Amino acid sequence: DTAVSQTPKYLVTQMGNDKSIKCEQNLGHDTMYWYKQDSKKFLKIMFSYNNKELIINETVPNRFSPKSPDKAHLNLHINSLELGDSAVYFCASSQDSIRLGFTGELFFGEGSRLTVL
Amino acid sequence: GEDVEQSLFLSVREGDSSVINCTYTDSSSTYLYWYKQEPGAGLQLLTYIFSNMDMKQDQRLTVLLNKKDKHLSLRIADTQTGDSAIYFCAETAGTTDSWGKFQFGAGTQVVVTP
Repeated sequence: DTAVSQTPKYLVTQMGNDKSIKCEQNLGHDTMYWYKQDSKKFLKIMFSYNNKELIINETVPNRFSPKSPDKAHLNLHINSLELGDSAVYFCASSQDSIRLGFTGELFFGEGSRLTVL
Repeated sequence: GEDVEQSLFLSVREGDSSVINCTYTDSSSTYLYWYKQEPGAGLQLLTYIFSNMDMKQDQRLTVLLNKKDKHLSLRIADTQTGDSAIYFCAETAGTTDSWGKFQFGAGTQVVVTP
């Protein structure tokens, strides 16, 4: 079973469209993340949820809206897509932390490559 | 600017040792990591080190930490073609306030040649 799975793996769409990427983890982790990896491979955090509560919200256009229906799922919805949104989006999860002995390991999904034309 | 910096590219011959370097700026960094990304895949944790350690060895991997210079390195002994990948350095303070805030470097592309 895949620990962190995200769909779709590839997404090609036109500028101005709205799209969603879904993520699920079956590791029982409390914290989930969305990272954006640009064409130069630089990885930047976008959002993080801990037990369905938003804990990190970096400087991201408000066209991006995360939603966490439960602690095993974190979806990313993007409105009015722009060319600059083309990237690989990675979902990740980690165990909640300090009580359990923190290693901080992030478990990543395989990525969703978004191409905006 | 970036808080974690790495050289972008390393070419190494099969069987040689690879050394990937990383520098960070946050003096409160407590946990430091090396992740590996193979083509078309997500990142996978290779190893990590706590800031109260100078060295950690795990089979072919040796991590060295110079806390004074804020310098982290990963040495891969007897490099194999399967080691070709992008290697990311990452850090976090690991405190309640910094929870979930991992800073990643831009990644070092390692190419292993026969």
